Amino acid sequence: SQTIHQWPATLVQPVGSPLSLECTVEGTSNPNLYWYRQAAGRGLQLLFYSVGIGQISSEVPQNLSASRPQDRQFILSSKKLLLSDSGFYLCAWSKQDNEKLFFGSGTQLSVL
Amino acid sequence: DQQVKQNSPSLSVQEGRISILNCDYTNSMFDYFLWYKKYPAEGPTFLISISSIKDKNEDGRFTVFLNKSAKHLSLHIVPSQPGDSAVYFCAAKSTGGFKTIFGAGTRLFVKA
Repeated sequence: SQTIHQWPATLVQPVGSPLSLECTVEGTSNPNLYWYRQAAGRGLQLLFYSVGIGQISSEVPQNLSASRPQDRQFILSSKKLLLSDSGFYLCAWSKQDNEKLFFGSGTQLSVL
Repeated sequence: DQQVKQNSPSLSVQEGRISILNCDYTNSMFDYFLWYKKYPAEGPTFLISISSIKDKNEDGRFTVFLNKSAKHLSLHIVPSQPGDSAVYFCAAKSTGGFKTIFGAGTRLFVKA
């Protein structure tokens, strides 16, 4: 069966510090990968998606970037965090048919 | 511009009664609709979906209704159980597309 791992579960970072969140998927090959963010009291906002190694599509201009160095690995990064980067970050994958998303357990990021 | 709207932030229902969660969308290109359920500090999990070629899909206690002319869908839970207490996200996409657009969510409280 397929599983998705996302870490860390919680993270507290000072403003201006770098960020690296990692997500890996097991049990499938060539998945579509996604990063979503849920800000407090808001819905899920699509940040990035990837249909293959090295292929990244950005949905929202922001302080963040994503990379896919391996087929089942998706990384969310920032060089300098802003207060507005605080939120609940979710990694997700889907099969090539894109019908439904399978989410990781999320990372609660607090930028202070 | 919110393409998927859930206008009720919360809903409270007595155990055993029906829960009805509503969702509206604006993009006519959406032809596949999903509901996800989310518990605190966890990622959302897929609940039920419906294609635009149907107007109803049922899975156990959960039924989704789609009214294409009104660009409206609803999720019915019958009978409601305390374990159904969670945040429910409505989502929409175009078949073959990579972007799943989420509403802001409705928090359901089922009282015992």
